Amino acid sequence: GDSVTQMEGPVTLSEEAFLTINCTYTATGYPSLFWYVQYPGEGLQLLLKATKADDKGSNKGFEATYRKETTSFHLEKGSVQVSDSAVYFCALGGGSQGNLIFGKGTKLSVKP
Amino acid sequence: EAQVTQNPRYLITVTGKKLTVTCSQNMNHEYMSWYRQDPGLGLRQIYYSMNVEVTDKGDVPEGYKVSRKEKRNFPLILESPSPNQTSLYFCASSFREGRDEQFFGPGTRLTVL
Repeated sequence: GDSVTQMEGPVTLSEEAFLTINCTYTATGYPSLFWYVQYPGEGLQLLLKATKADDKGSNKGFEATYRKETTSFHLEKGSVQVSDSAVYFCALGGGSQGNLIFGKGTKLSVKP
Repeated sequence: EAQVTQNPRYLITVTGKKLTVTCSQNMNHEYMSWYRQDPGLGLRQIYYSMNVEVTDKGDVPEGYKVSRKEKRNFPLILESPSPNQTSLYFCASSFREGRDEQFFGPGTRLTVL
């Protein structure tokens, strides 16, 4: 069945460092891909999405490109801030199983 | 304000004592879902509903029940809770299954002693 694999954390960076969180997927059909973020004590909220190959999703300085040839959707940000400290989830939706499938999450801590 | 609400936010109970976690959305979404979040396991879907009176099992449905009598509400019922159901629970809703953004509630932290 469909699945999502993302890099294990935790990831600790200094403020203004470059961030990459890797995400790869396996799926049949043409799924949509998402990054959700969970700030401490809160529910998940959508960070960005891409619905087809070569689409780039972007929001709040974060970017991810839907790469069908490498089945990847890596999250990047050029300069992280302390306020970006959160857990990030890669997710796949609309594949063969229909429902949203999540990776296990990557905890990011940004130090001042 | 568009939102998904859950109650209670925190609950400590004992084994075998029936409980219900309520979930309500005000966005007229057809699709609603319950997840549990556990360390190292990410989010796993418990049950979902495509519309009123239409519910189906997710990946980890054992020990849970749901109902969808109205479009806006999707309660999660634990008829006889056990310690392995201690977890953080999230309700979510969207217009359609899968491809649309899901809106999440703030979570319910359940401890079963």
